[in-house]
Amino acid sequence: QSALTQPASVSGSPGQSITISCTGTNSDVGGYKYVSWYQHHPGKAPKLILFEVTNRPSGVSDRFSGSKSDNTASLTISGLQAEDEAHYYCNSYTSSGTLVFGGGTKLTVL
Amino acid sequence: QVQLVESGGGLVKAGGSLRLSCAASGFTFTEHYMSWIRQAPGKGLEWLSYIRYSSDYTYYGDSVKGRFIISRDNANNSVYLQMNSLTADDTAVYYCARVTQWGLGLDYWGQGALVTVSP
Repeated sequence: QSALTQPASVSGSPGQSITISCTGTNSDVGGYKYVSWYQHHPGKAPKLILFEVTNRPSGVSDRFSGSKSDNTASLTISGLQAEDEAHYYCNSYTSSGTLVFGGGTKLTVL
Repeated sequence: QVQLVESGGGLVKAGGSLRLSCAASGFTFTEHYMSWIRQAPGKGLEWLSYIRYSSDYTYYGDSVKGRFIISRDNANNSVYLQMNSLTADDTAVYYCARVTQWGLGLDYWGQGALVTVSP
């Protein structure tokens, strides 16, 4: 059950768009539509921002979008805002019936 | 509104045991799987376990399989994590979370409970 692979850090300027990748295998990301993304500000509980690859929970900004191709899922944040600065984690269902997180990506808004 | 409140965290010696509780309110508890996740100091999120509606199926991450046991009490809207054979590597903030009815997302999280395992 290896963690999914995410870049350690990404950065962008306000108003720009950034994409965070999440790479797994065909036993997790590539095999199922159950990929979710979380935003985590230090000291707060993580927040679900996407589930089933592309679906946004009620109240989540449409600046957050998701996609998946083969074994890699991606989170795109458009129109970057200062408040988007946080850690982002992907998560996938696996063929073992378990869940697995990515290592996390720190987003810096310049 | 949905609320999840963890309790039971604290300081424990290596080799010891601890039981975390998570009290849920604001939703129909029996309609959701429940899950535990942790974050060690300076590390990322690690999924630990989830339990289905009526405790018929439970799943665990490799790092806790055989040592931790998840359970739920649907009459009291609570989920538990029994943690045994604790080591320093288990030092972390432990979160309980509700699993979405579709898509296996973790849509509501508690505030977290700190578990510190001393050598």
